[in-house]
Amino acid sequence: DSGVTQTPKHLITATGQRVTLRCSPRSGDLSVYWYQQSLDQGLQFLIQYYNGEERAKGNILERFSAQQFPDLHSELNLSSLELGDSALYFCASSRPTGGDTGELFFGEGSRLTVL
Amino acid sequence: GESVGLHLPTLSVQEGDNSIINCAYSNSASDYFIWYKQESGKGPQFIIDIRSNMDKRQGQRVTVLLNKTVKHLSLQIAATQPGDSAVYFCAENYGGSQGNLIFGKGTKLSVKP
Repeated sequence: DSGVTQTPKHLITATGQRVTLRCSPRSGDLSVYWYQQSLDQGLQFLIQYYNGEERAKGNILERFSAQQFPDLHSELNLSSLELGDSALYFCASSRPTGGDTGELFFGEGSRLTVL
Repeated sequence: GESVGLHLPTLSVQEGDNSIINCAYSNSASDYFIWYKQESGKGPQFIIDIRSNMDKRQGQRVTVLLNKTVKHLSLQIAATQPGDSAVYFCAENYGGSQGNLIFGKGTKLSVKP
């Protein structure tokens, strides 16, 4: 168990809809990352938040947005969903001190299916 | 564009043998590399990392080798066990927060008993 909690584990919705994925990082971790994993694109970095502020953006579509709340949990909002958005969405968190490393702690993911 | 790729999509080894998983990267500016393991139905799990000022780093049963001359990264697993069966990803970072990683496509390791 990585200590990162993601909900829901599975989600099925229709094209054009909007969904929200939720992530609770490990206790004490200030950074939250969102990654998308699809069969054709692999694991892709979407966005990072650090202590409530957006820190870095990757290949995140304009239809997608995220935020990190004062209690450090994060939400990823996906809107105007398309079939191609079907994927596993991972949240990861990292330790706040001791240097910046790539040691991320991943949740088990939210599997989104768009029909 | 810059990308991290893998030489082999699948690797099958006998239990107890050593495994070597290879990875090529294309961005010479990358200065930090990581290996992750992903078991079925789970999120990726950190295995080991290496910075570009090193060419070898050892962990418990794992060794990562970095050859900057040919932009090659490898993960060696000693005495491979059934529990090592998973997909292995290499990832690179070349700036900014080191949690912003570019992942390769993955190699599926199968361990035969």
